[in-house]
Amino acid sequence: GPKVLQIPSHQIIDMGQMVTLNCDPVSNHLYFYWYKQILGQQMEFLVNFYNGKVMEKSKLFKDQFSVERPDGSYFTLKIQPTALEDSAVYFCASSLDGPEVFFGKGTRLTVV
Amino acid sequence: TQTVSQSDAHVTVFEGDSVELRCNYSYGGSIYLSWYIQHHGHGLQFLLKYYSGNPVVQGVNGFEAEFSKSDSSFHLRKASVHWSDSAVYFCAVSANNAGAKLTFGGGTRLTVRP
Repeated sequence: GPKVLQIPSHQIIDMGQMVTLNCDPVSNHLYFYWYKQILGQQMEFLVNFYNGKVMEKSKLFKDQFSVERPDGSYFTLKIQPTALEDSAVYFCASSLDGPEVFFGKGTRLTVV
Repeated sequence: TQTVSQSDAHVTVFEGDSVELRCNYSYGGSIYLSWYIQHHGHGLQFLLKYYSGNPVVQGVNGFEAEFSKSDSSFHLRKASVHWSDSAVYFCAVSANNAGAKLTFGGGTRLTVRP
């Protein structure tokens, strides 16, 4: 089936540094999302994105976070600067229209 | 405000048993209800959804879910589980518009013993 690819699968970064998480969504999808999952806890919505713009962002989407999809390529989540509490698994997702959303395998971010 | 509650954090059954994973929600307005499965180390995979019509919806791999407006519930069921069904199951609600965010419950970890 359709796949969302996330690169890298693991990333370790020093606190205060910048990190960019990359996502290659399903090719014909129009809507893109980032979710955050802390081990053993539930999946939390961060942001959704359509037609080059943020649709909605949650309280977890701090000012240090930004998303973009330049030239229809990777959909990226940038965190600058990172903080210890940003350690989590970040899932990218995409959808065509309805609630059937396709998720990537996640990027485990460890901030040390 | 959308909230989703999955009352059981862990469910353990034997292979061949039936199972019901419970989901209750609160939301004002027209919504989609859906279930996702997460195998260890993977992202979520869509199982099924409900918006309107027949309250019992069929999904992949023999899963079905039943919507109840009176109970504000959308429980997931399977008549005979297989060891490969061991995973975390998430119930979710979303508004009835394209690209709407999913609000997830806390998840239920299903363990199927051989």
